[in-house]
Amino acid sequence: DAGITQSPRHKVTETGTPVTLRCHQTENHRYMYWYRQDPGHGLRLIHYSYGVKDTDKGEVSDGYSVSRSKTEDFLLTLESATSSQTSVYFCAISPGYEQYFGPGTRLTVT
Amino acid sequence: AQTVTQSQPEMSVQEAETVTLSCTYDTSESDYYLFWYKQPPSRQMILVIRQEAYKQQNATENRFSVNFQKAAKSFSLKISDSQLGDAAMYFCAYRSFGDMRFGAGTRLTVKP
Repeated sequence: DAGITQSPRHKVTETGTPVTLRCHQTENHRYMYWYRQDPGHGLRLIHYSYGVKDTDKGEVSDGYSVSRSKTEDFLLTLESATSSQTSVYFCAISPGYEQYFGPGTRLTVT
Repeated sequence: AQTVTQSQPEMSVQEAETVTLSCTYDTSESDYYLFWYKQPPSRQMILVIRQEAYKQQNATENRFSVNFQKAAKSFSLKISDSQLGDAAMYFCAYRSFGDMRFGAGTRLTVKP
């Protein structure tokens, strides 16, 4: 158990609405990540953070923003959700070169 | 950009037998790390095994072992004495100094 929680675990929302997903860690790791998982693509990096208020884009960052105001929390925001953002979202932490993942959030945009 | 390829979308194995899942990757780096993750129906991503590229010895974790061929850029996972609980999606992953890159996954079915 890597001490990572995600909320909500499931969400259904309508196209055009804003959505925020939360990742919380209990172990004070500097690096945190947001991925999305889609069939045939494995996991793809959306954004990551290397410290409080320090974030950078990943491979599939369009349409997403992030914030990290505290070490333990990393927020992913969809400013205006689209059907292409229907996916499973994972948060991860990185104590070393390996990464440990939260339980995931299934987001459906209708 | 580094890419990771898993050429077997699906595999099946009889309980108690051995199965090997394939993974190849493309990189120009000499120092990197390779991983296998398991994702059961619960959706949780579980780290199964890791291999440092500078180590020649293949990593082993109980019934799980890897065959790391650095020159061929190949990193296969062998599961011995397969159990029903091994049924899952398996993802190969590569990491150097930047992002972690994942393959598309192999779905493993275990037949009783």
